[in-house]
Amino acid sequence: GQQVMQIPQYQHVQEGEDFTTYCNSSTTLSNIQWYKQRPGGHPVFLIQLVKSGEVKKQKRLTFQFGEAKKNSSLHITATQTTDVGTYFCAGLNQAGTALIFGKGTTLSVSS
Amino acid sequence: DSGVTQTPKHLITATGQRVTLRCSPRSGDLSVYWYQQSLDQGLQFLIQYYNGEERAKGNILERFSAQQFPDLHSELNLSSLELGDSALYFCASSPRDLPYEQYFGPGTRLTVT
Repeated sequence: GQQVMQIPQYQHVQEGEDFTTYCNSSTTLSNIQWYKQRPGGHPVFLIQLVKSGEVKKQKRLTFQFGEAKKNSSLHITATQTTDVGTYFCAGLNQAGTALIFGKGTTLSVSS
Repeated sequence: DSGVTQTPKHLITATGQRVTLRCSPRSGDLSVYWYQQSLDQGLQFLIQYYNGEERAKGNILERFSAQQFPDLHSELNLSSLELGDSALYFCASSPRDLPYEQYFGPGTRLTVT
């Protein structure tokens, strides 16, 4: 079945350092979404990418969708302690009926 | 606050029992999704309803069932509970014009002892 893999599983950075998480799908995706889950919280929708090669920015966050629409990345510039949490990517399954979530990258930031 | 509500917040029950989790979607959203989140399996899609009808099924066990009522709230029924069913259960809803932009509720933490 369709799988969405995320790496790394965990990442610890010093405040001010950059952070990147990568998402790879076994099949071509119609779109990809990113969610953030704070410790003890629920996933919160961040963004959706649809077009091949698309790049979107939200303040210090940069999201990219690969040319082949099989991979994506989230890059955070100059991390802050408020960035801690688990970042999930999610791709639409081939039937177009459900999101397949990666297992997430958990980011911790020390000041 | 996403606008999606879930009750109860916590549930502790014994193996073999049956429980019902409840979800109310955001106002105006017709779709409801159920997810199970455990440490080892991550976030697993269970089932989706759209305006009262089942739209898609994921990794939902036969012991589990769900429905969406005319007022659009949804219930997830878990029966013959096993220890491995202990997890966080999230409900999400999505807007009509952005079907895959999902808004998650706060979740129900189920502990089976």
